[in-house]
Amino acid sequence: DTAVSQTPKYLVTQMGNDKSIKCEQNLGHDTMYWYKQDSKKFLKIMFSYNNKELIINETVPNRFSPKSPDKAHLNLHINSLELGDSAVYFCASSQGAGLPRFFGEGSRLTVL
Amino acid sequence: AQSVTQLDSQVPVFEEAPVELRCNYSSSVSVYLFWYVQYPNQGLQLLLKYLSGSTLVKGINGFEAEFNKSQTSFHLRKPSVHISDTAEYFCAVSMGTSGSRLTFGEGTQLTVNP
Repeated sequence: DTAVSQTPKYLVTQMGNDKSIKCEQNLGHDTMYWYKQDSKKFLKIMFSYNNKELIINETVPNRFSPKSPDKAHLNLHINSLELGDSAVYFCASSQGAGLPRFFGEGSRLTVL
Repeated sequence: AQSVTQLDSQVPVFEEAPVELRCNYSSSVSVYLFWYVQYPNQGLQLLLKYLSGSTLVKGINGFEAEFNKSQTSFHLRKPSVHISDTAEYFCAVSMGTSGSRLTFGEGTQLTVNP
């Protein structure tokens, strides 16, 4: 079983569209994260949720909105997509609001 | 600002040989250091971490890393590798023990050949 799974793995869309990326973890962890990987392979945190509550919200445009319906899910919704949003987005989880322990495989978003 | 440099993008070795994956960091403040591993078709997984205390830390699967403050390094080592160790390894640095300021290096692909 995959510990942290993200869907879709690949997403190609036009500028101005709205899209969502879903994340689910089956580890029973209480904390989930979203990271953005730029072209240089640096992962930068965007959001973190602990027990469905937002605990980290980095300098991210408000076009990005995370939603955590329960502890096992953290979805990322992006409005009015821009070219600069093209990247690989990683979901992660951990037990306790600390260091992410397991990451998903990533979702590659391409905005045309 | 903090940054991480992994000096080798690819490291090919033979099975049962020792391996060292190099990582250097830069930061103006005290940092915490980590190694993650990504096996083929899987996400990243925490391998080991240095937060404080002994500079030699042991992780899963027989890996260990040594924190060297004077050389600003955190190299990953294993005395004898297996085919199953083939994966991409990422060094990471954080200013805190949480994941809020986690910066990863570009990764080192370790390929273990029979």
